[in-house]
Amino acid sequence: GAVVSQHPSRVICKSGTSVKIECRSLDFQATTMFWYRQFPKQSLMLMATSNEGSKATYEQGVEKDKFLINHASLTLSTLTVTSAHPEDSSFYICSARIRGLPYEQYFGPGTRLTVT
Amino acid sequence: QKEVEQDPGPLSVPEGAIVSLNCTYSNSAFQYFMWYRQYSRKGPELLMYTYSSGNKEDGRFTAQVDKSSKYISLFIRDSQPSDSATYLCATSTGGTSYGKLTFGQGTILTVHP
Repeated sequence: GAVVSQHPSRVICKSGTSVKIECRSLDFQATTMFWYRQFPKQSLMLMATSNEGSKATYEQGVEKDKFLINHASLTLSTLTVTSAHPEDSSFYICSARIRGLPYEQYFGPGTRLTVT
Repeated sequence: QKEVEQDPGPLSVPEGAIVSLNCTYSNSAFQYFMWYRQYSRKGPELLMYTYSSGNKEDGRFTAQVDKSSKYISLFIRDSQPSDSATYLCATSTGGTSYGKLTFGQGTILTVHP
C-alpha cells in the first residue's frame, strides 16, 4: 500500500526558533499534499494544501508567514514553523493524495511538536 | 456551527458488542464520506468510504450515508479490543475542493475484554 513518512516524529524546540517537518510519499508520486494540525482529543484541522511546483493554499486563519510550506517535488513537502511559540505545540500530520478520488489520500504518522 | 459534528464519546463497550458511531453534517455539497481509524499518536488510516447515499459493508464494518438527513454512520460488529481507537468521520466535495477533507471531532472507542 501507499506509504507516507514524516520526519521527525517528535521535536522539542525553544520559543522563537524555527522547526522544519518533512513529509514524504515513499512509493508513489503525490500530486497534492495536505497539512493538518491536531490538538489533544480534537479533530484534524486542515492548515494548507500544497501542489508540487506551486504556492500552497492556506485555510482561513492560518498564517502563511508563520507556517511556510514548500512542495519541492512529487514526493516531498516541508512545513516550517517559524518563530515558534508554545501555542504552536501540536500534532502535525501530512497526507499525500494520488491523482484520483478524495479518499485516495494517505496519512503520515504525524509529528509531535513541543515548544518550550 | 461546525460543518461536521461527531460525538466525541468516550464510548466503552464489552468485547463482542455492536458499536454504532455517528456524524451529522451541514453542507449538502458533500459527496464523499469516509471513516478513519486513528491509534494514539499515529496518523489516521482509511477504514471505509462511500459515495453519495447508501450502505457499504467490509467484513465487520458497515458504513451508511443518508444524505436526506445528512447523517453518517459506522457500525462495527463483534467488536474486538484491537478496535479500540479514535474513529473519525470525514467528508469531501468534488470540483475544485477535490481531496480536501473535513473531519468530525472523532469518537474515542474502548472495547474491553
